[in-house]
Amino acid sequence: DIQMTQSPSSLSASVGDRVTITCQASQDISNYLNWYQQKPGKAPKLLIYDASNLETGVPSRFSGSGSGTDFTFTISSLQPEDIATYYCQQYDNLSQLTFGGGTKVEIK
Amino acid sequence: QVQLVESGGGVVQPGRSLRLSCAASGFTFSSNGMHWVRQAPGKGLEWVAVIWYDGSKKSYADSVKGRFTISRDNSKNTLYLQMNGLRAEDTAVYYCARLRAWCLDSWGQGTLVTVSS
Repeated sequence: DIQMTQSPSSLSASVGDRVTITCQASQDISNYLNWYQQKPGKAPKLLIYDASNLETGVPSRFSGSGSGTDFTFTISSLQPEDIATYYCQQYDNLSQLTFGGGTKVEIK
Repeated sequence: QVQLVESGGGVVQPGRSLRLSCAASGFTFSSNGMHWVRQAPGKGLEWVAVIWYDGSKKSYADSVKGRFTISRDNSKNTLYLQMNGLRAEDTAVYYCARLRAWCLDSWGQGTLVTVSS
């Protein structure tokens, strides 16, 4: 099974800061990597699919990059409404799905 | 718009069974694979199971294999999760989610399952 290592597990940043989260796969997953945002008490929301594609309606301050085993998720300018936990997710041969451990983003 | 509504959660004793439902609307349900994902209190997301758009293939996480069964009724636009032999560690919010290509693009609001004596 493919393992996803996400870091950091939490971070604190100021409004306007650039925030970066990384996700590493235990083997090559090409670009089959997605990023989700989950606010407290709510369902996850898809932000980035196929490593770097912005989901419709998602603000452009969110972006993703990477391929193979190493991926990065970036918030270019942190806003108060971005307080949430972010998860990476990979999909292996359409039969197994794995989430990273999550990154809790807080305002400093 | 796409809507997924889970139901069937509740409090159940260890070893008992429960069936969750996910009612879909706003899209052609029979065209999409569907997943169940769960989240234990204060924990991260854990994938549970997937079913192909036509029900022809199913796959499960090792933690639920042999105890949970995913199914669907495309005539009723409904996804199911039959959970047998429930354990305390199955306590979680259970979400259904729609598969689009390689991502989960729509999620329900979740239903809470509590396994406790």
